[in-house]
Amino acid sequence: DAGVIQSPRHEVTEMGQEVTLRCKPISGHDYLFWYRQTMMRGLELLIYFNNNVPIDDSGMPEDRFSAKMPNASFSTLKIQPSEPRDSAVYFCASSRSQGGDEKLFFGSGTQLSVL
Amino acid sequence: GESVGLHLPTLSVQEGDNSIINCAYSNSASDYFIWYKQESGKGPQFIIDIRSNMDKRQGQRVTVLLNKTVKHLSLQIAATQPGDSAVYFCAENAGNNRKLIWGLGTSLAVNP
Repeated sequence: DAGVIQSPRHEVTEMGQEVTLRCKPISGHDYLFWYRQTMMRGLELLIYFNNNVPIDDSGMPEDRFSAKMPNASFSTLKIQPSEPRDSAVYFCASSRSQGGDEKLFFGSGTQLSVL
Repeated sequence: GESVGLHLPTLSVQEGDNSIINCAYSNSASDYFIWYKQESGKGPQFIIDIRSNMDKRQGQRVTVLLNKTVKHLSLQIAATQPGDSAVYFCAENAGNNRKLIWGLGTSLAVNP
């Protein structure tokens, strides 16, 4: 299995621009998570989906952030407009509900720099 | 152990020694605990997990100990190797949801 696949690996953009981060979860996993990691705040859960339905988006910082999961194999996290304080590493992770397994499998992350 | 702030606690060990990384968790209702390893430039990688009905679980070179009385979790790494150098995170889950509560991490440095 290829694991969780995220793209792009690095993104550099200017303040005000739209940023779209992409994620392909592990096949067969029915949970998908978006996390943000910074030195100041550590790992923060932004939103998670179960069977493509958003379950909890209380971690999404502002209306500038939105996430979608149109099907079981694809999700996007969009920031519009982006701001310098959004600079962070964004991780996507997936897990399965079978057998009560709660292990998260993380992608390699997208390093976002907003100038 | 864990701390809040900009600076991760750091544990420095000699190659071949055993390492113990500690974590104090916050919620006495938490019933699931998990350890992750994060190497530089990579996503967190699962190491081992434990449920609250156990107090010890062993994996390959790793052992997790859970003390519910004092809300303490530890990760023991036997015969630490240079490849074990990373940041280690503990996380807990108190509800019937999938929201893990993460610690800020401990940096492990293995000296050759």
